[in-house]
Amino acid sequence: RKEVEQDPGPFNVPEGATVAFNCTYSNSASQSFFWYRQDCRKEPKLLMSVYSSGNEDGRFTAQLNRASQYISLLIRDSKLSDSATYLCVVKERYTGRRALTFGSGTRLQVQP
Amino acid sequence: DGGITQSPKYLFRKEGQNVTLSCEQNLNHDAMYWYRQDPGQGLRLIYYSQIVNDFQKGDIAEGYSVSREKKESFPLTVTSAQKNPTAFYLCASSATAPSTEQFFGPGTRLTVL
Repeated sequence: RKEVEQDPGPFNVPEGATVAFNCTYSNSASQSFFWYRQDCRKEPKLLMSVYSSGNEDGRFTAQLNRASQYISLLIRDSKLSDSATYLCVVKERYTGRRALTFGSGTRLQVQP
Repeated sequence: DGGITQSPKYLFRKEGQNVTLSCEQNLNHDAMYWYRQDPGQGLRLIYYSQIVNDFQKGDIAEGYSVSREKKESFPLTVTSAQKNPTAFYLCASSATAPSTEQFFGPGTRLTVL
């Protein structure tokens, strides 16, 4: 079983739509969670951190469900520029691994 | 401007040759990382370094080697022992390891012919 699992998509949505992605993680001791965005053939960049109480940044809302071990990303009023791959990222606690663990990503294509 | 640079952007090599990928950062970060990304897949950790003169194997270290002689530099050598070296290689750094945020370089696309 992968440590971090995501639906690869693609999610094809029209402009203005609301779209949500989920990500599940296997290590219950995982400490911190993030969403990164990666444009085609480019490097990943931090989109937002995910806090236990949920957090919002403009059109983006991230939520964490520790009991079910998943995090989600909601994008409202989708723009063409939102088309990218969204990577779910986990930082583990109490392991020798001192690096982040990346999911394979969910591809979003926003269509005009 | 502060950031991470990787060179070259594209690299072609013949099978059986070793090749070294460059990664330099001027962010004064202690930790540096190398990842490999294959088409349609996530990032897989090759090696990481928490501090100068120290580094640890990641999930797929076989066929790769690194050095960390300077804080700013973390070169990756892809050796002939790496069975499938063609991939997109990403270098990253963070203030500490583990960190809440990693900053990535633009990547090097290596093609072995």
